[in-house]
Amino acid sequence: QITLKESGPTLVKPTQTLTLTCTFSGFSLSTSGVGVGWIRQPPGKALEWLALIYWDDDKRYSPSLKSRLTITKDTSKNQVVLTMTNMDPVDTATYYCAHVDTAQFDYWGQGTLVTVSS
Amino acid sequence: QTVVTQEPSLTVSPGGTVTLTCASSTGAVTSGYYPNWFQQKPGQAPRALIYSTSNKHSWTPARFSGSLLGGKAALTLSGVQPEDEAEYYCLLYYGAWVFGGGTKLTVL
Repeated sequence: QITLKESGPTLVKPTQTLTLTCTFSGFSLSTSGVGVGWIRQPPGKALEWLALIYWDDDKRYSPSLKSRLTITKDTSKNQVVLTMTNMDPVDTATYYCAHVDTAQFDYWGQGTLVTVSS
Repeated sequence: QTVVTQEPSLTVSPGGTVTLTCASSTGAVTSGYYPNWFQQKPGQAPRALIYSTSNKHSWTPARFSGSLLGGKAALTLSGVQPEDEAEYYCLLYYGAWVFGGGTKLTVL
């Protein structure tokens, strides 16, 4: 079965760079049509789509955050990494990764809460 | 900046029917926006319900259905159950993806 799990720091300081890793199993990121996306949710607020990487290394980013985001994949390790630069307290959120099959977001990780504070 | 708009809140009685909608600031929502719908309960990760407008996942209860309605994407719940009380989000594709602001559904 497909599972995904997010990992990374729970606390980062303002201006620092956040690096999150999504480790998955049950699928391969070399399969046509498959991707992994990142989504976040500030406490008590709505979901926000951040980035997505497909099997062919096609990368898509939220236009409002594009300058701060980088998404990469390591197919051999079954991992996708998201980096976000210049972190600010407003970036405090639960960060999720999700399996994407063409245009369907189906399986999600449990999420990881990242707090930005000095 | 593209904005996806959902009703902030809706209330439905148990056993009733309710339709949630998802509108795009760019105009009518079509199948080319590949609407996805998700359900989220407090403290839980979102759960996928619908993809590509009207397709259900294997775990999606039959009472949930997706469609296009009046230029919007729509999620209809028929025969609402108390456990359907949750936040519902739509997701549309514009080359990048954009979530709606969510609809808080109360079953009362």
